[in-house]
Order: sequence, then C-alpha cells, then structure tokens
Amino acid sequence: AQSVTQLDSHVSVSEGTPVLLRCNYSSSYSPSLFWYVQHPNKGLQLLLKYTSAATLVKGINGFEAEFKKSETSFHLTKPSAHMSDAAEYFCVVTTWGDSSYKLIFGSGTRLLVRP
Amino acid sequence: DTGVSQNPRHKITKRGQNVTFRCDPISEHNRLYWYRQTLGQGPEFLTYFQNEAQLEKSRLLSDRFSAERPKGSFSTLEIQRTEQGDSAMYLCASSLDAGETQYFGPGTRLLVL
Repeated sequence: AQSVTQLDSHVSVSEGTPVLLRCNYSSSYSPSLFWYVQHPNKGLQLLLKYTSAATLVKGINGFEAEFKKSETSFHLTKPSAHMSDAAEYFCVVTTWGDSSYKLIFGSGTRLLVRP
Repeated sequence: DTGVSQNPRHKITKRGQNVTFRCDPISEHNRLYWYRQTLGQGPEFLTYFQNEAQLEKSRLLSDRFSAERPKGSFSTLEIQRTEQGDSAMYLCASSLDAGETQYFGPGTRLLVL
C-alpha cells in the first residue's frame, strides 16, 4: 500500500527566506508524486509532479522538489518565500500499478509567512 | 471559467435529511473523482468514474452514499439520512484520462446540524 507522511503540520518562515516542506513516501511500485497547494476558499492547485523522469522537478511560483529514492523523500523547497505563499500544502502519491490513479494525500503542512 | 465547478459551494442541513451535490468536470475529461476532506486532514478518495462507469468505491462510501455520472459528463453525489459525521468538504476532480493530472473544483462544504 502506498502512503505519504508530511513531517511538519506547521512551518513558519519570514518573507524572503527559504521554504522547506518535508515529505516521505511509501510505495510498492514506482511512485508518481505530487505537491498540491490549497489556499483558503479555493480549490487544490497542482504545484508540481514527479513521474520517473528528472529527479529534480520544477513547478509553478518558484517551487521545486527533489525525488530521492534512497531516502524515500520528496521535499518541497523555494528559495525565497512570498506572503502569497501562505497556504496549506499537500504531498500526494499515486502509483502506475493501480488503474484508478486515485490520489493519496498526506495530512498537510500549513505554511505561515511572517512579514 | 473552464475549470471544474461544484454546486452548491455550501450546504447546511439537519441530521436525517438527504443532500445532493453536483460536479461539472472540465469538458472532454473522461475521468471524474470524488474526495472528502475533514477539518485538519488531507482529502480522502471516495469513488471515481471512467466516462459513465463507476469503477471503484472506497470503504468510506457507506450505503447512504451514491454517486452517478449518467451521461459521462456531470456527476452527482447524494447522501441519504445525513449524520453529523458527514460534515466535511466534498471535492471533485477530473482528468483527461487515466494517469493524467487531476484538476480540482472548489469543493462543497457540508455542515450537518
């Protein structure tokens, strides 16, 4: 069975400083991994996805994530936080071996950005 | 706006009442998914459709829940005899086909009193 664990429920950073949101995954097959962002009263938006191509994945709004198989990690980073980045972030896994391609979400990390 | 739309956005009902939610996927998207998100948690899979066929249902989907996608376009999710534990955000997502990116609607927030 596949799952993801988001290691921090809350992360607080100052505007202009780096962001690191941590995610570990468990999967029996080659995983596809995603990061989604959820702003208040808005739908979930895809930030980036990994599907067994390049291990360093670049997404929207300056975010990127690195797939590390040896560490079973897929951490999300951004060099410089902006106030508009404050939101809930979800690490998500699905597997090619499951024809449903249903998404399995972590419990989320709430990012707070201090002025 | 050509994204996924969901109606209503908010629903307040009394315990024991029936409610129905609607999801309109992105045009030409063959796959449609329903998820449920409770406070402080990530969304959980409920069910999905490939065109009009419902192919999988989660164990979370009790007998009081039913979903349809009659013409392979919009979908409805009905909850009968609502319980307070049904209070949650119900999310719909669609994808062009299997394995493609899932695009989410804004959700329907249900509160059962």
